[in-house]
Amino acid sequence: DAKTTQPPSMDCAEGRAANLPCNHSTISGNEYVYWYRQIHSQGPQYIIHGLKNNETNEMASLIITEDRKSSTLILPHATLRDTAVYYCIVRVGAAGNKLTFGGGTRVLVKP
Amino acid sequence: EAGVAQSPRYKIIEKRQSVAFWCNPISGHATLYWYQQILGQGPKLLIQFQNNGVVDDSQLPKDRFSAERLKGVDSTLKIQPAKLEDSAVYLCASSWDVGSYNSPLHFGNGTRLTVT
Repeated sequence: DAKTTQPPSMDCAEGRAANLPCNHSTISGNEYVYWYRQIHSQGPQYIIHGLKNNETNEMASLIITEDRKSSTLILPHATLRDTAVYYCIVRVGAAGNKLTFGGGTRVLVKP
Repeated sequence: EAGVAQSPRYKIIEKRQSVAFWCNPISGHATLYWYQQILGQGPKLLIQFQNNGVVDDSQLPKDRFSAERLKGVDSTLKIQPAKLEDSAVYLCASSWDVGSYNSPLHFGNGTRLTVT
């Protein structure tokens, strides 16, 4: 499995952009980068995913470096409700296409 | 669309008892997953179904855990007998496409199991 490395925690200010880094230096050419978040007492929530190009949806933007060895999830205007654990996952290309979760980044949005 | 439904939301049992969890995936989703999440850790895959067949159960403790997905829709996960270390949140997820990396998993809110 391609491993990911994320900082264990980070704080950000309400109303500011939150930039969450992720390293995945062993990613293979056909493996997608997925981001999920988990708010307390809820199941993981899908945010966004991408292969090579930058992606944007109503929740966030995903910036993937040209060599695909790292990516950044951007929450453009963080709110208190964005406080959660954020998981960066490289989707396994073998049979099953499962998601293998690491420890994630615990993000605390402060007023 | 309706999300992944799980029940019960909470369950407390004594060790050596049995327990069952139920999952109803999003309509039309071919693939169903059961994950175990121990407090403070990320979810860990237990078993994956494609329609009603098992794709991956390599992490399922088969001496005590069992799962089925009859008719390729609903699924149940059972633990018998439970141990203290089975205390965790059991998450069900489903996805639309089989064999694609481009189909997100959608998770339910899980069943929190406490074994005393």
